[in-house]
Formats: sequence, structure tokens, C-alpha cells
Amino acid sequence: QVQLQESGPGLVKPSGTLSLTCGVSGGSISSSNYWSWVRQPPGKGLEWIGEIDHSGSTNYKPSLMGRITISVDKSKKQFSLRLTSVTAADTAVYYCARDPARSLGLDVWGQGTTVTVSS
Amino acid sequence: QSVLTQPPSVSGAPGQRVTISCTGSSSNIGAGYDVHWYQQLPGTAPKLLIYGNSNRPSGVPDRFSGSKSGTSASLAITGLRAEDEADYYCQSYDSSLSSSGVFGTGTKVTVL
Repeated sequence: QVQLQESGPGLVKPSGTLSLTCGVSGGSISSSNYWSWVRQPPGKGLEWIGEIDHSGSTNYKPSLMGRITISVDKSKKQFSLRLTSVTAADTAVYYCARDPARSLGLDVWGQGTTVTVSS
Repeated sequence: QSVLTQPPSVSGAPGQRVTISCTGSSSNIGAGYDVHWYQQLPGTAPKLLIYGNSNRPSGVPDRFSGSKSGTSASLAITGLRAEDEADYYCQSYDSSLSSSGVFGTGTKVTVL
């Protein structure tokens, strides 16, 4: 059974770079899935921010284009999120998730990690 | 702002039936993209509740059902139970946003 675990700094300074990693265990990261990132600002709803598929193709939320990069490291069985020029608006719980196909939904989620943007 | 609109809250007594609507447009639900539903209990990660408009993953009670018609989708909970009190989100994709994913605004279900 696939499990996901986010890791990374919990505090990032304004204008800095947010970097998170999602480790994949119990299954292959090379199988035909989309590996996704979703965030949730404090007290607010879920926000889809981007994904990468097994071939390395990415799809990002348009409003984040230019600041966001999602990559995958198959040898380490992990995928990563990099968000540059962060502001307080990027403060959120960040979740990684697996999407087996557009028709199957985000079926496996990490527990989430809180990232605060503050000086 | 989300392109999928849900009512902020719905409530019902134990045993009752409640429904949550998810209203989209011709570029997302109306374009044929599937709708998925998630349940988020306080302080926890979301859990897939319904996938592909109306399918339940293994382990999800049949009290939960989903449907889709035109540019909208709905989630119904029958035989409401105290443990159903949570936030619920619909999710789909949008062709006007480069086929990126989109979530609904979220609905808080309260069991009276």
C-alpha cells in the first residue's frame, strides 16, 4: 500500500524559496500516476497547485506559473515542490498526493506539513 | 477564488439525508471532466470519498453517493451520523486553466 510523507522546513522567510519533498513508500514512483501538491491556507479551503506525471511532464496552477517547479527523483523515490519569492499568502499546510488517473481522484495523501512564511 | 462553487454549510439531524452541490461551468464539469469528492475531518488530511462522479473507493459506506449532470455535481449523505461532521470538497479539472486541477469552495456539514 502506497504511503506518502512530506518533509521540509516549517519556516521560510518572505521573498525566500519554499522547498518540500514527498517520499513514496510501498509502491513504485515510476508507475503511471500523477504526483500532486495541494495546499490549504489556515482556516481556508483546498488549493490544487501542481502535478508531475511519470514521464516528467508538469502541470501547474496558472497563477503560480513562474514561481513553481515540481520535479521527481526516481532513484530516491521522491518528488519535490519548489516555490520561489514566497509571501505570507503562501503560508499553508502543504499536502502531497497521488492521482492514478484523471478519472480516479487523489487516492493517497500525505499527512501534510505546515509551512509558515515569516521573518 | 475557486471555479467550483459549493454551499458554505449544510446541516441535518442524525438519520436524515443531506446533499451538497458543486456548481461549475462549461470549461470544467460541463466539459466532461470527472468530479471527485473528499471528506476532511478536523486536523487531518483529506480522504477520497467519491471518484469518477459516482464511484466509492473500497471502505466508503454506501451512505455516500455522488452524481453529475451538466455543469454540476452533487454529493448525498443518507442516514447522517455524528462522524460525518466534516468539511467536504468537490474536485475536477478546468480546460480554461490549462487543464489544471480545481477544488470546490468547500462545505461544512454539521450534524445537529
